[in-house]
Amino acid sequence: GQSLEQPSEVTAVEGAIVQINCTYQTSGFYGLSWYQQHDGGAPTFLSYNALDGLEETGRFSSFLSRSDSYGYLLLQELQMKDSASYFCASNTGGFKTIFGAGTRLFVKA
Amino acid sequence: GAVVSQHPSWVICKSGTSVKIECRSLDFQATTMFWYRQFPKQSLMLMATSNEGSKATYEQGVEKDKFLINHASLTLSTLTVTSAHPEDSSFYICSARDPGLAGAADTQYFGPGTRLTVL
Repeated sequence: GQSLEQPSEVTAVEGAIVQINCTYQTSGFYGLSWYQQHDGGAPTFLSYNALDGLEETGRFSSFLSRSDSYGYLLLQELQMKDSASYFCASNTGGFKTIFGAGTRLFVKA
Repeated sequence: GAVVSQHPSWVICKSGTSVKIECRSLDFQATTMFWYRQFPKQSLMLMATSNEGSKATYEQGVEKDKFLINHASLTLSTLTVTSAHPEDSSFYICSARDPGLAGAADTQYFGPGTRLTVL
């Protein structure tokens, strides 16, 4: 089967750093993506890891360990506008993507 | 990034009617588009892969006769929900990859979604 597991909710304070973990089991794996979705909106692409290691894009970083079937999204200098749902997604080849259940991030003042 | 549009953004219809949702890639040609459904506070569930000029590939459990997909051009895919019922009420989102971009296999661009309410 194919599944991606991530925590359902995370709460953090403004200015802090938060890490959202994702473990996956997929038949065929090309890489791990992260998407952000605000309530009522469509998902927007944040980052992608095809190789092990850390990818940094501004305040957001993403990490992948293929040997551990594990990745995480790191959000630094949290802002209120970062409150949203974050999905990890696995690219399983053939341009097909499977999404995790999503993690709702609540940023408090 | 690439732009994908959807129309309509929301629709309310009576039970038993059919609803067509359009997905367009505005600044690139998409040979493949994807249709997702998302219920409140849940993840995106892939319904089908829409292939330009050929039949769509449906995920297990998705009724192809109920959710008709047509990808007649490189910039347009349509999803028609036939004989809609209240349980079909959901947020329908399309996405596409821009094959002209480096790392195209890695990035999906999502349309803004269509909220369907069936009364």
